[in-house]
Amino acid sequence: TQLLEQSPQFLSIQEGENLTVYCNSSSVFSSLQWYRQEPGEGPVLLVTVVTGGEVKKLKRLTFQFGDARKDSSLHITAAQPGDTGLYLCAANAGNNRKLIWGLGTSLAVNP
Amino acid sequence: KAGVTQTPRYLIKTRGQQVTLSCSPISGHRSVSWYQQTPGQGLQFLFEYFSETQRNKGNFPGRFSGRQFSNSRSEMNVSTLELGDSALYLCASSLSQGPDTQYFGPGTRLTVL
Repeated sequence: TQLLEQSPQFLSIQEGENLTVYCNSSSVFSSLQWYRQEPGEGPVLLVTVVTGGEVKKLKRLTFQFGDARKDSSLHITAAQPGDTGLYLCAANAGNNRKLIWGLGTSLAVNP
Repeated sequence: KAGVTQTPRYLIKTRGQQVTLSCSPISGHRSVSWYQQTPGQGLQFLFEYFSETQRNKGNFPGRFSGRQFSNSRSEMNVSTLELGDSALYLCASSLSQGPDTQYFGPGTRLTVL
């Protein structure tokens, strides 16, 4: 069974702090997606990473795909209350069937 | 372009009843997937429909079923509801089947009493 482990499970920080959340697996993936889910809403895609070692930036968010395509990280610089939400990673195992989902990291940014 | 819509947004049922949830995908999207989300289990894949055919299925009992219509709209049915079926049910549409980018609706919050 392919699993995606996300850590930490919960994170509560003050506005302006930096943070990194992780998405790890023992399996190799052809691509990996990060989503953010706000309370009362469905997840929304933030980014898709495809190439090992790839780094993508989205304003204050930096996403990295591991060289071996088994893990990924999301770094947020100077977090703001609007970053609060559940961050989910989802991976494509390459068998063209379905995405594999992590349990998510619940982030709370306090003003 | 309008996003994915789900109805109803909230639903309260009692054990043993059945429920039908509806999902309208983004225009042009032919794939619709259903997920169950709970705090302990996270996002769990129920099934995917593409061109009115079920293409993938998760590990849920037969009480959970779905269908897709010719206009790509989809319904999910849960029969003989159990307390453990209380969850947020999310529908997602995508352009193609399989592990494509998922565009989610806001979900239906089902509470089983």
